[in-house]
Amino acid sequence: EPEVTQTPSHQVTQMGQEVILRCVPISNHLYFYWYRQILGQKVEFLVSFYNNEISEKSEIFDDQFSVERPDGSNFTLKIRSTKLEDSAMYFCASRWDLPGAGELFFGEGSRLTVL
Amino acid sequence: DQQVKQNSPSLSVQEGRISILNCDYTNSMFDYFLWYKKYPAEGPTFLISISSIKDKNEDGRFTVFLNKSAKHLSLHIVPSQPGDSAVYFCAARRVTGNQFYFGTGTSLTVIP
Repeated sequence: EPEVTQTPSHQVTQMGQEVILRCVPISNHLYFYWYRQILGQKVEFLVSFYNNEISEKSEIFDDQFSVERPDGSNFTLKIRSTKLEDSAMYFCASRWDLPGAGELFFGEGSRLTVL
Repeated sequence: DQQVKQNSPSLSVQEGRISILNCDYTNSMFDYFLWYKKYPAEGPTFLISISSIKDKNEDGRFTVFLNKSAKHLSLHIVPSQPGDSAVYFCAARRVTGNQFYFGTGTSLTVIP
């Protein structure tokens, strides 16, 4: 069964460092997402990406964040200068384009710990 | 602004009984609703969905009910099994958007 894969599974970084989280969405999917979940809190939307551009982003997704689909298979989330409050589980998701439908398929997540 | 709400953070049910998880939403533009199950340290896994043109969708032991006038949906699991113990998230999407809005989750414990 096709799946979304994420690397790394866990990354520990120092505050102020740049971090890149990588995702390989399901191959025939057209929409790509990043969500995050701070421990014990809700799953929060960060950004959606379609047709090689951001289609929606949340208030969380400020200038410190960027996304890229560099080679047609990978989908990356970059945090330029990490803060303590960026510590969270980051989930990549993708979906096919079905009118009025189409569930998200999530990866296993990348745990980011900022010290 | 919490557009999707799950007011019960936790629920315990005996094995074999029915589990009912509830979800409320505020945005009348939502037209597609989903339930996800999440185990610790794993990504959410899709369970079942329902379009706003329906009021019920069933898949095996899982049934989702949608009450549009009350802006309420529920997930019924019958019979509940210990392996169903997980956190359940409801999610919603509006007709013109790409974003899926998630609730805060309900932790279900099925007691053997």
